Amino acid sequence: NAGVTQTPKFQVLKTGQSMTLQCAQDMNHNSMYWYRQDPGMGLRLIYYSASEGTTDKGEVPNGYNVSRLNKREFSLRLESAAPSQTSVYFCASSAQGWGMNTEAFFGQGTRLTVV
Amino acid sequence: SQQGEEDPQALSIQEGENATMNCSYKTSINNLQWYRQNSGRGLVHLILIRSNEREKHSGRLRVTLDTSKKSSSLLITASRAADTASYFCATDAGGGTSYGKLTFGQGTILTVHP
Repeated sequence: NAGVTQTPKFQVLKTGQSMTLQCAQDMNHNSMYWYRQDPGMGLRLIYYSASEGTTDKGEVPNGYNVSRLNKREFSLRLESAAPSQTSVYFCASSAQGWGMNTEAFFGQGTRLTVV
Repeated sequence: SQQGEEDPQALSIQEGENATMNCSYKTSINNLQWYRQNSGRGLVHLILIRSNEREKHSGRLRVTLDTSKKSSSLLITASRAADTASYFCATDAGGGTSYGKLTFGQGTILTVHP
């Protein structure tokens, strides 16, 4: 049981380059999330998807796009990378629903550096 | 701004001592969760407390929730060197499609010395 799998684990981009971070979960969860973690800032929500076919902006969505490809996969795209997007990115999933109280499961993270 | 604010930012103790971390939040919540992160790794869920609960235990962990003060505390008893990690509180405000959308605090870095 792999849980939440993110690829790649590490990436270095030049300013202006684009890339897609991949995330897949095998727990049949409805909800998936992308967070970024910066020193001293905790985790900040970029985008989330409450169910297949829906996505919503989080706290820091500028410069990112997402795709909920199917129930398993949720990708994050940087169209034109900027040094301010240097961060560690985490994908997470949870069994969300009305009145449910459930935990989130996290991937191991993608360490992205934009030079 | 962050929903959850943790205090202290860093905590250093000796093995066997208890560690207490506090979390304050701003809006009403459906539940509050605590997570642990070892250096360079993903977050791991520790414990969830619902808004209608006041205290919850899991092994050496004890969590309290005071919704009137919008605060929570995490107590780790008889700490071990292996407890060294960052600890985050996260709030689930609930409501519509926002159920399960967690807002994290900045975390407390706990160092347990052998």
